[in-house]
Amino acid sequence: KQEVTQIPAALSVPEGENLVLNCSFTDSAIYNLQWFRQDPGKGLTSLLLIQSSQREQTSGRLNASLDKSSGRSTLYIAASQPGDSATYLCAVLHTGGFKTIFGAGTRLFVKA
Amino acid sequence: EAGVAQSPRYKIIEKRQSVAFWCNPISGHATLYWYQQILGQGPKLLIQFQNNGVVDDSQLPKDRFSAERLKGVDSTLKIQPAKLEDSAVYLCASSQGQFFNSPLHFGNGTRLTVT
Repeated sequence: KQEVTQIPAALSVPEGENLVLNCSFTDSAIYNLQWFRQDPGKGLTSLLLIQSSQREQTSGRLNASLDKSSGRSTLYIAASQPGDSATYLCAVLHTGGFKTIFGAGTRLFVKA
Repeated sequence: EAGVAQSPRYKIIEKRQSVAFWCNPISGHATLYWYQQILGQGPKLLIQFQNNGVVDDSQLPKDRFSAERLKGVDSTLKIQPAKLEDSAVYLCASSQGQFFNSPLHFGNGTRLTVT
């Protein structure tokens, strides 16, 4: 059974700091991994999608890496800003049943 | 492009009542998903449609939940009768299809409170 874990559950950093969010999954049989952002009272916004054959994806100040064999992904946020405050979730598209399975998220607070 | 539309945004009902949620996916998206998100948790897949056929409904409590996607476009999710533990945000998402590079696009969700 595929399980997705995100550590830490919450993180508070000062503005300008570079930070790393972690995601781990128990079964390496995945098609892709996605990172999402969720603002309070809103739906999820897709940030980056890494296919299983890829190692990383970049978008602006965001960089996501994938190590499928070890079941790990990281989301690197450079020069954090108060507007980055949100919950960040990772999700894997599992080959078993073509199902997308989510972690519980990391709640990020960037202090001005 | 217009995003995924959901209504209503909020709903408060008493236990044992029924409720329905509506979703209109992004135009041309063949795959539609309903997720349940309980406070502090990640979304849990309830049901997944490919066009108007069900791909996965293994985690849908079929004794009280039902969903349909007529004509492969809009979808409705119904709960009858509701229980207190059904209080959650119900998220609809769509994607272009069962492709490995097709991201999920989410609506803003419906927050359900069962009293």
